[in-house]
Amino acid sequence: DAGVIQSPRHEVTEMGQEVTLRCKPISGHDYLFWYRQTMMRGLELLIYFNNNVPIDDSGMPEDRFSAKMPNASFSTLKIQPSEPRDSAVYFCASSARTSIDEQYFGPGTRLTVT
Amino acid sequence: AQSVAQPEDQVNVAEGNPLTVKCTYSVSGNPYLFWYVQYPNRGLQFLLKYITGDNLVKGSYGFEAEFNKSQTSFHLKKPSALVSDSALYFCAVRDPNTNAGKSTFGDGTTLTVKP
Repeated sequence: DAGVIQSPRHEVTEMGQEVTLRCKPISGHDYLFWYRQTMMRGLELLIYFNNNVPIDDSGMPEDRFSAKMPNASFSTLKIQPSEPRDSAVYFCASSARTSIDEQYFGPGTRLTVT
Repeated sequence: AQSVAQPEDQVNVAEGNPLTVKCTYSVSGNPYLFWYVQYPNRGLQFLLKYITGDNLVKGSYGFEAEFNKSQTSFHLKKPSALVSDSALYFCAVRDPNTNAGKSTFGDGTTLTVKP
């Protein structure tokens, strides 16, 4: 298996622009998680899905952030408009129903907003 | 509420020596506990978990962790450190009464193993 795939690996954008991060979970996994990692705040859970349905989005910072999972093999995290404080590494992770807490992380997208 | 603390930002050990990375937790009931490792420019990798049963849990790459309920700790250990073990280590906890999968991660401990 190729593992969790994220794209792009690096994204540099200007403040005010829309940013879309993409994730392909491991085939057969029922859960998908989006995290943000910064030096100041550590690793934060933004939102997670079960069978393509959002279960908990309480970690989403504000309305500028949105996430979708249109099918079992694809999810997006969108920031519109982006701000410099959104600069971080964004991780997608997935897990199987039989071992929900054993999460497999993607390589991350390093986002820089100037 | 659930929380986890990793009291050391950095741990330095010599290759071949035993290593310990500390973790303490707080949950209302019996915890689910996990350790992950993150190598530079990579995502986190699952190492091991404690759900129930034997307090000593064995995981990947020769790591083990000991659950201590009275001290609310779940320290990660390895008998003989390798230079390749140098990485960032995260402890995580979940209260079984919360939504499945919603774990809280510690701030991480950087382990450096010197040759």
